[in-house]
Amino acid sequence: DGGITQSPKYLFRKEGQNVTLSCEQNLNHDAMYWYRQDPGQGLRLIYYSQIVNDFQKGDIAEGYSVSREKKESFPLTVTSAQKNPTAFYLCATRIEDRTDTQYFGPGTRLTVL
Amino acid sequence: DAKTTQPTSMDCAEGRAANLPCNHSTISGNEYVYWYRQIHSQGPQYIIHGLKNNETNEMASLIITEDRKSSTLILPHATLRDTAVYYCIVAGTGANSKLTFGKGITLSVRP
Repeated sequence: DGGITQSPKYLFRKEGQNVTLSCEQNLNHDAMYWYRQDPGQGLRLIYYSQIVNDFQKGDIAEGYSVSREKKESFPLTVTSAQKNPTAFYLCATRIEDRTDTQYFGPGTRLTVL
Repeated sequence: DAKTTQPTSMDCAEGRAANLPCNHSTISGNEYVYWYRQIHSQGPQYIIHGLKNNETNEMASLIITEDRKSSTLILPHATLRDTAVYYCIVAGTGANSKLTFGKGITLSVRP
């Protein structure tokens, strides 16, 4: 966290609605990531972006979409095509130094009613 | 296709060293061992990483066996705030590196 903000912290939506999760960073990191975490499980990679205007699918991209129009922002849209959207969503950035450390935001907990 | 295996849970007494093991028998030559931890309902936090030499920072020490098939994260003086899920991850570095988080090991520090 620190230089990464995710909003809102809790989000509720009705089944069949699209919803966009925000991720903003002021760390000046090129690479950004979206992960999903289900209860008692590890993190799974949804999408990642190495640079502005470019992004790649992760392991579970179906039902999600992203954009990377500027370096600071990497919003994630959970579409109605995502069958089980209720989860904890985490955004991360990666510093390009000898550690390649990823820094994580505080997360958004999405609940579909 | 998990690259690492960790026990499900362990506990230790406050003030004592916590030694968290990890097996990564299929690690390749250019892959690093990373450790992150996640306190409940927060984002993961980077702890340390290493290639083949032992590493130490202000948070922990990482001991990697000579054959690199296993490692141990050491928290020298565990506190109650160290209670968390600890993830051992094997990954390369650079633009295409991806972290694969398994279920991790739940460390409970008891008073």
